[in-house]
This record gives sequence, C-alpha cells and structure tokens, in this order.
Amino acid sequence: EIVLTQSPGSILSLSPGERATLSCRASQSISSNYLAWYQQKPGQAPRLLIYGVSSRATGIPDRFSGSGSGTDFTLTISRLEPEDFAVYYCQQYGRSPLTFGGGTKVEIK
Amino acid sequence: QVQLVQSGAEVKKPGASVRISCKTSGYTFTKYTVHWVRQAPGQRLEWMGWINPDNGDTKYSQNFQGRVTITRDTSATTAYMELSSLRSEDTAVFYCARDLTGRTVSAFDYWGQGTRVTVSS
Repeated sequence: EIVLTQSPGSILSLSPGERATLSCRASQSISSNYLAWYQQKPGQAPRLLIYGVSSRATGIPDRFSGSGSGTDFTLTISRLEPEDFAVYYCQQYGRSPLTFGGGTKVEIK
Repeated sequence: QVQLVQSGAEVKKPGASVRISCKTSGYTFTKYTVHWVRQAPGQRLEWMGWINPDNGDTKYSQNFQGRVTITRDTSATTAYMELSSLRSEDTAVFYCARDLTGRTVSAFDYWGQGTRVTVSS
C-alpha cells in the first residue's frame, strides 16, 4: 500500500493574503501522476481541488495550484482567502488500495 | 446538476451490519464508477471499494475484505454499501463519491453528504 505523508503534519497557521505551501510525500512512486488534492471543511464532504497532480477541478479558482512528480507533491494556495481555511488531503489513485494522506489543517493565524 | 444523496444516520450494536444507500441524479448512473470512503473521528479518509454500475464489477480494499459489499440498482440509480461485523472502530462518517473520469479509477469529483454510523452497545 502506498502511504502518503503530509507536512506540515497537522496545522499550518497563516494569515489571509499569505501563501500556503502544503506537501505530500509518497512511500513509493505514484504512477502516471495519479495524485489529487481535496479540501474539507467541518461537517462537509471533501471537495476535489486538483487531480492529475496539476489539473484544477471544475470551478476551482486559479489561486490553487498543484505540482510535483514521483514521490513528492505540493499544493500551493497563492493568496489565502477567508474561505480557504480548512483541512487539505492528498490522495493517490494510481495503485489499489487508493490511499489518502493524514491531512493538513490551514488555520487563521 | 449532479447529486449524490445518502441515507440517514444509523446506530448499531457491535456485530451487527449496516447498509447505506447513495441515490444519484443529474448524470448517467451507469457511466461512472462509485466509490465508498470511511472517515473515522480524527482519522484519515479511508477508501473502502468501488463499483462499476454498468456491469456490477466491484473491487474492495483488503482492509475491509470480507466485511464490505457494494451493490447497485440501476433502475433506481442507487449504489449501496453494506458493512458487516461492526465494531467500535467503524464509528465513522461514510461517504459515497463519483469517479471523475467515468468507468475507471480516478479522483472523486462529486460526494454524498455523508452518513454517520455509530457502533455502540
């Protein structure tokens, strides 16, 4: 099973307008760049942000971007808006079982 | 618009089974794989398995093998997930989600609202 480790491990404290950089490291190479990012707010289902490492899902603003390859991936939020404070998960879907990272919470500083 | 609407919260005793439904609308049900995901309190999201609604093919995570069964009713455009031999660790919110690219395995673009299952004696 591919284990995904996200960093910072738990909480990233930032102010609105700042840049957020979230990392996801895989225990083995993810084939065909099958890596996605989700945002989850309390009491809500996850929301797809990025798939295929860098493709934005429908309706996702361009302040969200994804990059990386192999085992190291990054989600960048260029300028945090108030609605961006949430938990973010990475997911690999290149190999079964599909797996998720442990999440990074982006909180208001 | 695409919608996945799940059945309501459940309270079960250890050893019992739970069956959750996921009613879909707004798209052709048979053209998109449906996945199920568990989220226990304070735990990461955990993929349980998927079903190809067109032919009923399924694939399950080994972590749930033998306890989970995913089925579908194409006439009702609904997918179901049954989890048996429930234990306290199954206290969680369960989600169904649609596959982004159709009858393959990809990211999940639409999600149900979640169904909370509480396992308690």
